[in-house]
Amino acid sequence: AQSVTQLDSHVSVSEGTPVLLRCNYSSSYSPSLFWYVQHPNKGLQLLLKYTSAATLVKGINGFEAEFKKSETSFHLTKPSAHMSDAAEYFCVVRGGTSYDKVIFGPGTSLSVIP
Amino acid sequence: KAGVTQTPRYLIKTRGQQVTLSCSPISGHRSVSWYQQTPGQGLQFLFEYFSETQRNKGNFPGRFSGRQFSNSRSEMNVSTLELGDSALYLCASSLGTSGRAEQYFGPGTRLTVL
Repeated sequence: AQSVTQLDSHVSVSEGTPVLLRCNYSSSYSPSLFWYVQHPNKGLQLLLKYTSAATLVKGINGFEAEFKKSETSFHLTKPSAHMSDAAEYFCVVRGGTSYDKVIFGPGTSLSVIP
Repeated sequence: KAGVTQTPRYLIKTRGQQVTLSCSPISGHRSVSWYQQTPGQGLQFLFEYFSETQRNKGNFPGRFSGRQFSNSRSEMNVSTLELGDSALYLCASSLGTSGRAEQYFGPGTRLTVL
């Protein structure tokens, strides 16, 4: 069985400061992990994905995430927050087979203070 | 390349009615998944289709059904609508059903049940 936990329902940072959004997962198989962003009244956009290659994954808009198997974590980071980063962020896990369902975390709402 | 399109974008129905939502995937994508997004339950997986076959199904009642056509376009149907069916319904397409395949989301259909 798979599951995903996003440890913070809401994160608030000042513009120009680092962003850390935490995600822990549980999976019976070697999972694929994704981060998606959803801006208000818009669809979901893929930020980055991990699929058993490099453990440090770089995505769009300066975001990156590190896969840590020992900690079952896949935290999302960005060195410097921008106002346009304010959105809802979802961590997603899927197992290694095509029969594994896609499981979304509950989401973390990021606020950026000017 | 055109993105995932969903029609209609907004729908208002009354309890007991039925509704059909449509999704056109990105050209070349053969897998289509459907999700329900509500403030209380977050993003929940409904079902996944690949080459006109349902590959996966979430934990929703039988009132929720779907199908996929030979051109990969997909429809989902909800019969006997309930107030709790009010939600944003998202469609996502991907090249295949591999756990590594990234999904591309449409803007969603906002369903309101009165």
